[in-house]
Amino acid sequence: EDKVVQSPLSLVVHEGDTVTLNCSYEVTNFRSLLWYKQEKKAPTFLFMLTSSGIEKKSGRLSSILDKKELFSILNITATQTGDSAVYLCAVDWGGSEKLVFGKGTKLTVNP
Amino acid sequence: DAGITQSPRHKVTETGTPVTLRCHQTENHRYMYWYRQDPGHGLRLIHYSYGVKDTDKGEVSDGYSVSRSKTEDFLLTLESATSSQTSVYFCAITQDRTYTGELFFGEGSRLTVL
Repeated sequence: EDKVVQSPLSLVVHEGDTVTLNCSYEVTNFRSLLWYKQEKKAPTFLFMLTSSGIEKKSGRLSSILDKKELFSILNITATQTGDSAVYLCAVDWGGSEKLVFGKGTKLTVNP
Repeated sequence: DAGITQSPRHKVTETGTPVTLRCHQTENHRYMYWYRQDPGHGLRLIHYSYGVKDTDKGEVSDGYSVSRSKTEDFLLTLESATSSQTSVYFCAITQDRTYTGELFFGEGSRLTVL
C-alpha cells in the first residue's frame, strides 16, 4: 500500500530557531512530491519537487528531495510566529491523477 | 484566487439524513477533488473527477457518492449520514488543463452529524 509518513507529528520552537520537517514515502510510479502549508483554513501550495538534489527555495523556506532514499525535507530558517501551521507532504504517483497525503506536522512557533 | 466556493460552510445534521455538499468553480478547470480532514488522519481523498460525468473513487469512498453534471459543479452526497462522517470537507481543483498535482483548495465545509 502506498503511504506517506511525516515526522515529527508536532514541534514547538522559539522564534528565530531553524526547523527541519521530514517526509518519507513508499509509492509506486513516483511522479512528484508536494509541500503544503495549512493555517486555520485551506492548505496552500508551497513547493513541488520532481528531481533529486535540486533545492527549491522561497524566502526562509527550502525543500529538497532524495529519490534514492525516498524522502524529502522542508527547512524553515529564522522561524516567525506566522510560520505556525500544519505542514502537509503529499506524493503524486503516476497511477492516476491524485495525491496521497501524510498526516502533517504541526509547527508552533512561540515568541 | 482559484475561484472555488464550497457550500454550505457549516452544517449540523442528524444521523440517517441525506446531506449534499457543493463545490463550485468559475474557471472551467478539469480536475476536481473531495477530501476529508480529521485529527490524526490528515487529508484523505473521497472521490475525484476528471471531467463531466467522469469520476473515480478515492481511499475513503464508502458512504459517499458524487456527481458532476456540468464542469463548474462537483457535488458530494452522503446518502445517510453517520457520526463517523463528522469532519471537515475540502474541495480542491488543479488550475492547469493538464494534471500537475498542484491543488488549490476551497475554504472547507464543516459537517457535524449528531
